[in-house]
Amino acid sequence: GQQVMQIPQYQHVQEGEDFTTYCNSSTTLSNIQWYKQRPGGHPVFLIQLVKSGEVKKQKRLTFQFGEAKKNSSLHITATQTTDVGTYFCAGPRTGANNLFFGTGTRLTVIP
Amino acid sequence: DGGITQSPKYLFRKEGQNVTLSCEQNLNHDAMYWYRQDPGQGLRLIYYSQIVNDFQKGDIAEGYSVSREKKESFPLTVTSAQKNPTAFYLCASTSGTGRNNEQFFGPGTRLTVL
Repeated sequence: GQQVMQIPQYQHVQEGEDFTTYCNSSTTLSNIQWYKQRPGGHPVFLIQLVKSGEVKKQKRLTFQFGEAKKNSSLHITATQTTDVGTYFCAGPRTGANNLFFGTGTRLTVIP
Repeated sequence: DGGITQSPKYLFRKEGQNVTLSCEQNLNHDAMYWYRQDPGQGLRLIYYSQIVNDFQKGDIAEGYSVSREKKESFPLTVTSAQKNPTAFYLCASTSGTGRNNEQFFGPGTRLTVL
């Protein structure tokens, strides 16, 4: 069946260090979305990537979509305590009108 | 303000009782979804609906039921047949088909079955 794996599952960083999470799909995706869930909160949409090799930036966050459209990454430069949370990638589910969410990467930032 | 509301935020029930979680949206979205999230886990799709009076099973539909009588509302019933119902339940909606559009999530209901 379809799988979307994210690595690492957990990451602890010192404030100011960089952080990267990787998303790997078992199938080619027409697009990929990223969400952030703060502790105790609900997922909030961050961005969508559509084109092969696409790179988008939001302040300290850089998102990439792989050339083969089967993987993606989220890189945070100089983490801050406000970056704490779980980051999920999601792609269209094969043969259905909904999203398949990745396993998530939980980021802890140590002040 | 447009958005999705879920109530209550915390819900406690005794084992063997059915319980219904509410989800309302005023975003005029066609598609609505129910997810289950266990501690430290990802989101697993329970049911989804693309249009009023129609819904489809997701990955873990057993022990759950839904209805979609109005566009704005998509209640989820956790039945006594659900063997491990304690979890965080998230409702979401999206415009369009749901494959290519962002999903808007409600604040969630944390259900504890005693």
